[in-house]
Amino acid sequence: NSKVIQTPRYLVKGQGQKAKMRCIPEKGHPVVFWYQQNKNNEFKFLINFQNQEVLQQIDMTEKRFSAECPSNSPCSLEIQSSEAGDSALYLCASSPQVSQNTLYFGAGTRLSVL
Amino acid sequence: QQKVQQSPESLSVPEGGMASLNCTSSDRNFQYFWWYRQHSGEGPKALMSIFSDGDKKEGRFTAHLNKASLHVSLHIRDSQPSDSALYFCAASGTGNTGKLIFGLGTTLQVQP
Repeated sequence: NSKVIQTPRYLVKGQGQKAKMRCIPEKGHPVVFWYQQNKNNEFKFLINFQNQEVLQQIDMTEKRFSAECPSNSPCSLEIQSSEAGDSALYLCASSPQVSQNTLYFGAGTRLSVL
Repeated sequence: QQKVQQSPESLSVPEGGMASLNCTSSDRNFQYFWWYRQHSGEGPKALMSIFSDGDKKEGRFTAHLNKASLHVSLHIRDSQPSDSALYFCAASGTGNTGKLIFGLGTTLQVQP
């Protein structure tokens, strides 16, 4: 069983609504990643953190998407105004180090935007 | 263009047979490779990593890396129905932020 906990498992939103999902990384893992997996199984990297600091993020994340990993609280990914194209499986992963790292994934949050 | 390309898209093997999956990178910066497996309704789970040329064996799974041709393969010996899943190849380069680039996956079906 995955030690990366993602909630909720399923999320249904209307277009224009906010969608927020959370992730508790594996204990002792300071690096956290968010990926989007679409229906064609394509993985799109969104953002990653080392502790509370952003390491890298893509343009999409810089606009409608926001994410944070506060200390002593779950990490979160929020879509400010959901669009139909955002419907996907959102995967959180954690890792014990930045480079040459194996990522440990949660089960994901499946977002459906109606 | 996908920087990590996998073949075949789908594969069916009989129980007890050998499954062979392939992955090729188009980016010479990629030095580190992983194989992940994803069962339906679950997140991907790392099977093995391979960073050096040659073979790496873990149980029924053997990975092979050829850095010169940027080709990595995964061979599953004595395939079981529980091996039926999506298999992803992932790669990363040196330094940077640790981001992994994934291929589009190979669907493996093991027929009982």
